[in-house]
Amino acid sequence: KAGVTQTPRYLIKTRGQQVTLSCSPISGHRSVSWYQQTPGQGLQFLFEYFSETQRNKGNFPGRFSGRQFSNSRSEMNVSTLELGDSALYLCASSWNVLSSYEQYFGPGTRLTVT
Amino acid sequence: DQQVKQNSPSLSVQEGRISILNCDYTNSMFDYFLWYKKYPAEGPTFLISISSIKDKNEDGRFTVFLNKSAKHLSLHIVPSQPGDSAVYFCAASEGGQNFVFGPGTRLSVLP
Repeated sequence: KAGVTQTPRYLIKTRGQQVTLSCSPISGHRSVSWYQQTPGQGLQFLFEYFSETQRNKGNFPGRFSGRQFSNSRSEMNVSTLELGDSALYLCASSWNVLSSYEQYFGPGTRLTVT
Repeated sequence: DQQVKQNSPSLSVQEGRISILNCDYTNSMFDYFLWYKKYPAEGPTFLISISSIKDKNEDGRFTVFLNKSAKHLSLHIVPSQPGDSAVYFCAASEGGQNFVFGPGTRLSVLP
């Protein structure tokens, strides 16, 4: 079974621009979560989508948004990029039913904002 | 305030010996826990999980212990191998949602 894939793997953007990251979950997984990883803050939860609905949201500003499509693929958008948005963005998918909550991560998208 | 803590930023262990990684949490509502390992430039790899109805779960060389009264869990790796050298994260959630991750412990297994 193919793992979680994320595109692109690397991205360089300029402050003020916007960016869209994509995540394809493991086949059959309906839950997709997004995380930001920075050296100082560790892994921080952004939001989770389940069956095309945002089910949970972390403490990030409204510049961070996402959506999920009917095939469970998910996109994350960051508008008006700031230097502090430079991070590794990870998505994770899970079956998330019947007490099976293990999340499987993709390789991440390394975003650099200059 | 960190809800999930991994108080040892790093740990060094000799190959073949036991590695014990610790994790403490503050939220008594957490009832599902995960351990991940992470290599540089890769996403975290799921290792093992445990729910609050158990106090131990074992998978090959990896065993997780949960002490609910102490709000403490630990990951035991026996025997440790050089390939186990990575950063290990524990994560906790209530009902399998909104996982909160610890800051990680860097394990170095010395040959």
